[in-house]
Parts: sequence; structure tokens; C-alpha cells
Amino acid sequence: SQKIEQNSEALNIQEGKTATLTCNYTNYSPAYLQWYRQDPGRGPVFLLLIRENEKEKRKERLKVTFDTTLKQSLFHITASQPADSATYLCALDTTGSGYSTLTFGKGTMLLVSP
Amino acid sequence: DGGITQSPKYLFRKEGQNVTLSCEQNLNHDAMYWYRQDPGQGLRLIYYSQIVNDFQKGDIAEGYSVSREKKESFPLTVTSAQKNPTAFYLCASNPGLPNTEAFFGQGTRLTVV
Repeated sequence: SQKIEQNSEALNIQEGKTATLTCNYTNYSPAYLQWYRQDPGRGPVFLLLIRENEKEKRKERLKVTFDTTLKQSLFHITASQPADSATYLCALDTTGSGYSTLTFGKGTMLLVSP
Repeated sequence: DGGITQSPKYLFRKEGQNVTLSCEQNLNHDAMYWYRQDPGQGLRLIYYSQIVNDFQKGDIAEGYSVSREKKESFPLTVTSAQKNPTAFYLCASNPGLPNTEAFFGQGTRLTVV
């Protein structure tokens, strides 16, 4: 069956450290992968999109990698801050065409302590 | 400001009643989506529409209905046939082009009382 797996346990780190979140998928060949941030009781907010032919994408303190051989994406937040505390969701285009709807993982909660 | 608006933020429904959740966008997006989120769960797709007057079932469409009479609007009706409707409902839109991000509303929390 098709699956998108994110670490269900919360990730606790100290302010200033780098947070690394993992998204693994099976039985998909996505054309792209996206990362979203969700705060409690609110809708997800888009952060980054990476295409299948891109190895890495950066935006300010955020970095995403995409390894289609390993079927894995890593999401990094450098110099983390308490304001980065939220749930982070990965989402895939599940048909590989780029036109499909997004399928989301369950998300990983990140807690950054001062 | 452009955006996507869901209303109401909180909704209470008695068992056996239908209820309609509103979703409006002024982003001129062709595609709109409804997701359901349960505690500790990811988003699950209920229905989506890629063009006016057309929509498709998602993974969990049973007990729900939608319409897309206008580009800006994509209301979701939770019918009495939905056995466990208490959840957080999210509406999203995107231009409908490849490799584009989704814009989400702030969600409606539905509780059956």
C-alpha cells in the first residue's frame, strides 16, 4: 500500500540547534514534495516545494533535500527558535504528473526550548 | 487581501442533522479541496474540484457532499450519513497547475452534540 511516514514522536531541541525532520514514502513516484507548517487550531502554511530533479532547496533558515532513490525528504531548520515550534507536514503529488491532489503525512511536532 | 476564508470557525451539530461549511477564495484559483483532520492524524482528502461545475471524490467522501457553482466558492455539506463527523475541516485552493502550493483556510471545527 502507499504510505507517507513522518516521525510521530515530537522532536525536542534547544534554541540555536538544527532541527531535522524526516519524511519517508513508499510506492509513490512523486513529481514534487512540499513541506507545510501547522500551528494548533490553524490551517497549514506552505514553506517549500522541491521537484524530483532537485536535490536540495533552501529558503532563509530552511533547507529541504529530496532523495528519490531512498524515497526520503529531510527538512532542516537551522538556528532554531522557540517560534519555530509547530507541526510540520510533508505532502506529495501522488500520481507523479504534478497535477494531482496532495497527500499529506501525519506531521511531526517540533518543540524548541529556550 | 487575497485569501481563502472558511466559516464558521466553530460549529455544533445535533446528531441526524446536515450542516454546511463555507469556503470562499478570492485568489482566482481553479482548484479547491476539502480535507478532514482528526487529532494526531494527517489531512485526509474528502472532495476536490479542478474546475467550476465539476468535482471528484477523495479518499473519504462517504457522508459528504459538495457543489462548485462558482469559481470562488466550494461549500461542503456534512450529512447525517457521516458516522463520525466530529473533526477539524480544512479547505484549500491552488491554481490547478503543476507543482504549485496549496493555500489553506483557517479551518472549521465541527462538533456533534
